[in-house]
Amino acid sequence: RKEVEQDPGPFNVPEGATVAFNCTYSNSASQSFFWYRQDCRKEPKLLMSVYSSGNEDGRFTAQLNRASQYISLLIRDSKLSDSATYLCVVSAGGYQKVTFGTGTKLQVIP
Amino acid sequence: DAGVTQSPTHLIKTRGQQVTLRCSPKSGHDTVSWYQQALGQGPQFIFQYYEEEERQRGNFPDRFSGHQFPNYSSELNVNALLLGDSALYLCASRPMDREYYGYTFGSGTRLTVV
Repeated sequence: RKEVEQDPGPFNVPEGATVAFNCTYSNSASQSFFWYRQDCRKEPKLLMSVYSSGNEDGRFTAQLNRASQYISLLIRDSKLSDSATYLCVVSAGGYQKVTFGTGTKLQVIP
Repeated sequence: DAGVTQSPTHLIKTRGQQVTLRCSPKSGHDTVSWYQQALGQGPQFIFQYYEEEERQRGNFPDRFSGHQFPNYSSELNVNALLLGDSALYLCASRPMDREYYGYTFGSGTRLTVV
């Protein structure tokens, strides 16, 4: 089983749609969780950290379910500019390695 | 405020050669990690440096080595290059005591081994 698993997609959604991505992780000692966005041939950029109580940043909502060991990202009112690959990132904290999922590709269609 | 800077941006090497990639972390960041990203894959963790020591290492052979300097900058060295080492190499930094900030990435070095 991979340490961090994501559906690679692609998710093709129309503008204005709501789309959700899930990510599962295998290490129950994981402490820190993030969603990154990566545009084609660019570096990953932090989209948001994921907190235990869930958190929202504008159109983006992240949730963490420790019992089931998954995190989710919800994007409301999708924009063309949201088209990118979304990477789930998990860390056990401190000196522990940071593990990336393979990413979920989102294509927002006009 | 400059973010993470990496050099060179692109590099072409021959199989068997050695390469050194450089990274300057974002101001205020003391922890540097290196990642290898093959086309269509997520970044794979190579190692992490803090206080000039390697603190954690991913599943990479000893051909991959690194260094961190007193000014927090870092180098990644790869010896005996293989064709399979062709990838985007990403450096990322963060403050050790504020993990919740996440890592800031440089734009990467695209290495091609021929």
